[in-house]
Amino acid sequence: DAGVTQSPTHLIKTRGQHVTLRCSPISGHKSVSWYQQVLGQGPQFIFQYYEKEERGRGNFPDRFSARQFPNYSSELNVNALLLGDSALYLCASRLGQHQETQYFGPGTRLLVL
Amino acid sequence: AQKVTQAQTEISVVEKEDVTLDCVYETRDTTYYLFWYKQPPSGELVFLIRRNSFDEQNEISGRYSWNFQKSTSSFNFTITASQVVDSAVYFCALSDTNYGGSQGNLIFGKGTKLSVKP
Repeated sequence: DAGVTQSPTHLIKTRGQHVTLRCSPISGHKSVSWYQQVLGQGPQFIFQYYEKEERGRGNFPDRFSARQFPNYSSELNVNALLLGDSALYLCASRLGQHQETQYFGPGTRLLVL
Repeated sequence: AQKVTQAQTEISVVEKEDVTLDCVYETRDTTYYLFWYKQPPSGELVFLIRRNSFDEQNEISGRYSWNFQKSTSSFNFTITASQVVDSAVYFCALSDTNYGGSQGNLIFGKGTKLSVKP
């Protein structure tokens, strides 16, 4: 079975631009979460979606938004990019909305110049 | 507030040595889960173990073992007879019932970079 997939793998943007990152969960998993990992730090929780609804949100500005589609795939959008948004963006999927194990994708490396 | 502390930033060992990675957590919940993930240079987080707060039995899986002690809020990870392939960043994580407004969202430590030299 395929694991969590993310696209693109790498991305370079300039300040002020907008970016969309995509994630497909493991088949059968209905919950997707997004994490930001800045170099040298642990991942930080951004959003959790379950059954197409936002169920959790971390401490990130409104420039960050996400959505989940009927097939449970998800997009993370970041507007008005700042240099500090440069990071590895990780998507994780789990079966439901509780404390099941989360399985991570390979991530998207975003560089903002 | 929830918090995970991994005090060891970097550890370097020689192959076949045993190594223990420390993890200390804080939560007010009585029901919570603890995790360890491995992050090789490729970047993908690889799940290693999940343990709930009611199960304090130590666990062994091959060369890996975990020691969970609620009295000291610690969940330490030991690799026996380390190998070069064990070189990676290891993260300890906590999930409780209400971080980020919902259950199960992970709070990570800053990670411990393990280098195993031949």
